[in-house]
Amino acid sequence: NAGVTQTPKFQVLKTGQSMTLQCAQDMNHNSMYWYRQDPGMGLRLIYYSASEGTTDKGEVPNGYNVSRLNKREFSLRLESAAPSQTSVYFCASSDSGDTEAFFGQGTRLTVV
Amino acid sequence: GENVEQHPSTLSVQEGDSAVIKCTYSDSASNYFPWYKQELGKRPQLIIDIRSNVGEKKDQRIAVTLNKTAKHFSLHITETQPEDSAVYFCAARGSNYKLTFGKGTLLTVNP
Repeated sequence: NAGVTQTPKFQVLKTGQSMTLQCAQDMNHNSMYWYRQDPGMGLRLIYYSASEGTTDKGEVPNGYNVSRLNKREFSLRLESAAPSQTSVYFCASSDSGDTEAFFGQGTRLTVV
Repeated sequence: GENVEQHPSTLSVQEGDSAVIKCTYSDSASNYFPWYKQELGKRPQLIIDIRSNVGEKKDQRIAVTLNKTAKHFSLHITETQPEDSAVYFCAARGSNYKLTFGKGTLLTVNP
């Protein structure tokens, strides 16, 4: 099992460009999450999907959209990238209930 | 929504000493409290978790305590070793499966 796989690992964008971060899990988990990590700010929740077909805003959703394509895949889209979106992005998944969340390896995004 | 506060933001201890990290949460409906360790350049990984029907859990040198009345939980690491140096995150998950993290604690264990 690969666990949680994110693509790409690194990306540089120009201000105003768009891109989609891909995330897939092979653990048959119901819940999936997107976080951003900035120095001193911890892991801030952007969007999450409690189950297939549902998505909800987290703490910092502005400037992002998500799609829960199916049970395995949860993508994060930046429609018009801004320098403030420079960050490390982590996707995570967990089963329903009180169980461990597994993280992908992260995507380091730089917006210039 | 849920708010998780974590203290201290940095902690430096001598090898062999104990380290304690404390967190508070705001949503009384939260029922699952994991702790993650993140080494530099790597993904966060679970080290221990506790559920709302348990007051304390221990795994070798690591223990977690939960006080639901006061809405706070703590991580205790005994006999610290240099390889314990990392950033530690607490988190809380409510009934809507939203998983909210604290801002993290940078633990440095000095040999």
